[in-house]
Amino acid sequence: QKEVEQNSGPLSVPEGAIASLNCTYSDRGSQSFFWYRQYSGKSPELIMFIYSNGDKEDGRFTAQLNKASQYVSLLIRDSQPSDSATYLCAVKSGEANQAGTALIFGKGTTLSVSS
Amino acid sequence: EADIYQTPRYLVIGTGKKITLECSQTMGHDKMYWYQQDPGMELHLIHYSYGVNSTEKGDLSSESTVSRIRTEHFPLTLESARPSHTSQYLCASSENRGQGEDNYFGYTFGSGTRLTVV
Repeated sequence: QKEVEQNSGPLSVPEGAIASLNCTYSDRGSQSFFWYRQYSGKSPELIMFIYSNGDKEDGRFTAQLNKASQYVSLLIRDSQPSDSATYLCAVKSGEANQAGTALIFGKGTTLSVSS
Repeated sequence: EADIYQTPRYLVIGTGKKITLECSQTMGHDKMYWYQQDPGMELHLIHYSYGVNSTEKGDLSSESTVSRIRTEHFPLTLESARPSHTSQYLCASSENRGQGEDNYFGYTFGSGTRLTVV
């Protein structure tokens, strides 16, 4: 059973701080990694994706991937109250067949940014 | 504007009723998915499709069925609703824009249908 693990939180940070969200995955053949943000009562929206080891930056967001450790993280710099949401880590397997395009999601980490 | 639409947004229905949750996308994506999400829990894949007349069951055992007669339309049907079906149902679509991983951009989700079976 392929799994994606996240600390459910809540993770509480003050406004302006760096929030660090972590995710581990069990399928060593996984190829692509995604971070979705989900506000309460809303559907998930894609905020970052990463394929290669290292860091990928987009505005205040940085995704970090370490395939050897099967670990992916999301850093949010200058956290704002509007960043308060649940952050879902999702992984696409390395299977070459059609089933490999389906994403496997973690339970999500709830982030609370206080002003 | 290209998007993915789910109807109804909310549904309260009695036990034993047959219901169909609608999902349509205007992006021309070949791949479409249905996920089920309970509060505080991960999304569970219940059905997926890679094109017209192609449907598969996901990891979560489900009493629902799907069809894919047109690229843009992927409805989910419960023949006999039960209280255990109470959940949020999310539809998503995706595409590969070329060869290799750099051309896979993940999912676009619909707004979801919150189903309550009483």
